Amino acid sequence: ETGVTQSPTHLIKTRGQQVTLRCSSQSGHNTVSWYQQALGQGPQFIFQYYREEENGRGNFPPRFSGLQFPNYSSELNVNALELDDSALYLCASSFGRGKGTDTQYFGPGTRLTVL
Amino acid sequence: AQSVAQPEDQVNVAEGNPLTVKCTYSVSGNPYLFWYVQYPNRGLQFLLKYITGDNLVKGSYGFEAEFNKSQTSFHLKKPSALVSDSALYFCAVRDRADDKIIFGKGTRLHILP
Repeated sequence: ETGVTQSPTHLIKTRGQQVTLRCSSQSGHNTVSWYQQALGQGPQFIFQYYREEENGRGNFPPRFSGLQFPNYSSELNVNALELDDSALYLCASSFGRGKGTDTQYFGPGTRLTVL
Repeated sequence: AQSVAQPEDQVNVAEGNPLTVKCTYSVSGNPYLFWYVQYPNRGLQFLLKYITGDNLVKGSYGFEAEFNKSQTSFHLKKPSALVSDSALYFCAVRDRADDKIIFGKGTRLHILP
C-alpha cells in the first residue's frame, strides 16, 4: 500500500507569483483534502475534492484553487502569493466522500516560503 | 460554530509515567473526534477516533482517549510514556451536521528520560 505523497518538499516564491503543489493519494482512496498549517498552529481546512469535484471549502479566498484528476491525485494552486501564505501545506486522502467517520491520512507536506 | 481547544501548549512527563493531553470541543450536534500526532518535518499520523459506542477508544502506539459528553472532552492518554512519544499532538472534531473538520492548535509533548 502506497501512502500519501506530496511534491515538492520545499518551495520558495516571491510575492505575486503563482505556485502549484501536488499530491498523490493513498492507494484505494478517492477523496483529497488540502490544509494550510501556519507556524505554531493547527491545520486549517482549505478545500476537499471527491471524484474530481470540489466537495467543501474552508474560509480561503478564490486565489486558492484546486484540481483532482481521474487517478485521484490532486493539485493546489495559489495565485498572487502573499507573505501570509508561507506555511506547511498538507494533503490528506480518504475513502468515501470525506465526511463523517472517514479517517484522513496525511502526506508529509510542502513547506512554502513567500519572500 | 464548532471549535476545539487544547488548553496546554506543552506537556512535560517523565518516561514511564502516565500522560494526558487535554482536548475540549464545541459542536452543535454529535461529534466525531480524532487525535493525530506530528513528528518534526512529517505530516500528521492518525492515532485514533471516536465515532460512537464505548467512551474509551484505543488507538495506535498504546494511546487511548476517553470521550466525556458531559464535559465535552476527549483527552488523550497513555499509561506509560516513552521518549519516542515526544511530538506535537492535535485533536480534531467533525460535526456530524456539517462535516467540517476543525483542528486544535496542538500540544507539544516532551517525555523526559
